[in-house]
Amino acid sequence: QVTLRESGPALVKPTQTLTLTCTFSGFSLSANGMSVSWIRQPPGKALEWLALLDWDDAKYYSTSLKTRLTISKDTSKNQVVLTMTNMDPVDTATYFCARSRPLNYYDDSGDEQTANTFDVWGQGTMVTVSS
Amino acid sequence: EILLTQSPATLSVSPGERATLSCRASQSLNRNLAWYQQKPGQAPRLLIYGATMRVTGVPARFSGSGFTTEFTLTISSLQSEDCAIYYCQQYLYWPPSTFGQGTKVEIK
Repeated sequence: QVTLRESGPALVKPTQTLTLTCTFSGFSLSANGMSVSWIRQPPGKALEWLALLDWDDAKYYSTSLKTRLTISKDTSKNQVVLTMTNMDPVDTATYFCARSRPLNYYDDSGDEQTANTFDVWGQGTMVTVSS
Repeated sequence: EILLTQSPATLSVSPGERATLSCRASQSLNRNLAWYQQKPGQAPRLLIYGATMRVTGVPARFSGSGFTTEFTLTISSLQSEDCAIYYCQQYLYWPPSTFGQGTKVEIK
């Protein structure tokens, strides 16, 4: 069974650095095509993809938040860590980690396609930024 | 950045009736689009990928259609447990990925 669980502080002050940990089980992040992403959702608002760590240790970031984000992993602990610097009240949100793996399938034309989706999610952790 | 526009923002449907949700992309996605269902207090759940492919275990009343820039999620006969917010997601240039703003489906 694949599971992911986010952990981190519920409250941070403006200008502080947020560190969130995603602890996962049931899959190997070293397996070809696997990745873990961080996605956030402000209260009552839409989902926003933040960062992704790939099976081969490649890292990708949201263009708008790139300068503030760092994603890393601790393979021995099956963890993916996200740090976000210079926190602001607008960063108040529920932060999710989610797994992705390539979904290969055949389309109506019989051509093989690959879907990159978020197939398993953690339950999310709410972070409030306030002084 | 590829933008996804979902409509309507809220959809009120009577039980047993059809619900039709729309997702429009700012550029052609081919069929690189997925749909998610999110119930209050829960994480999103993947329903559809490849615009039309239903995830194993998702009820058959959920179906996806569309190509290039216009996509639709249809719930053929709305059940009370289908009340949720539905998001589309594009993965044409992966990564990154973007989501639409969501459509809230409620019982009339």
